[in-house]
Amino acid sequence: GGIITQTPKFLIGQEGQKLTLKCQQNFNHDTMYWYRQDSGKGLRLIYYSITENDLQKGDLSEGYDASREKKSSFSLTVTSAQKNEMAVFLCASSGLGGNQDTQYFGPGTRLLVL
Amino acid sequence: QQKVQQSPESLIVPEGAMTSLNCTFSDSASQYFAWYRQHSGKAPKALMSIFSNGEKEEGRFTIHLNKASLHFSLHIRDSQPSDSALYLCAVGTGGYKVVFGSGTRLLVSP
Repeated sequence: GGIITQTPKFLIGQEGQKLTLKCQQNFNHDTMYWYRQDSGKGLRLIYYSITENDLQKGDLSEGYDASREKKSSFSLTVTSAQKNEMAVFLCASSGLGGNQDTQYFGPGTRLLVL
Repeated sequence: QQKVQQSPESLIVPEGAMTSLNCTFSDSASQYFAWYRQHSGKAPKALMSIFSNGEKEEGRFTIHLNKASLHFSLHIRDSQPSDSALYLCAVGTGGYKVVFGSGTRLLVSP
């Protein structure tokens, strides 16, 4: 079996700061995703990538950038952190793509902006 | 744009009871239907998925899909306290995007 690692586990930032979250997977999956989860609610798609160097915007991409320089890694940047923002950012990967295949999730990065 | 809604928002059931969770979707071309479970502070994990109308059973869990009604459900037989979690339904219409519902929080009381 594989594993998805997200770093850091916790991230405390200041208003206006640029913050980067990292995700690594060893499933050898082609597709990777970044989701935002607010306070125990559902998942909203920020960015996804179907292969190395590919980027596709999700429904919540404004205020974020992403980077997929290697098949195994996918980074997300919060371009300007918003005051009092608090959310969990979840990274996921799948082998065939969302329409046919299970997504495997990492443990998340918990963000708090002061 | 696909709309996925779950009901109820939260649910408390006694240990041993049957639990039923619902998910409706808006796009009749949807092809992939799944349930994920997320224990508090943990990553979501896939429970079951279905691609065609009907039922699929795995252990205590049954997923039922009715595409004509734009509805699918998850039933948990003999609910256990360890089943207490946030349940997320997910729908895929093609390509790589999957839309998740906002979740049903289940508490199974001993």
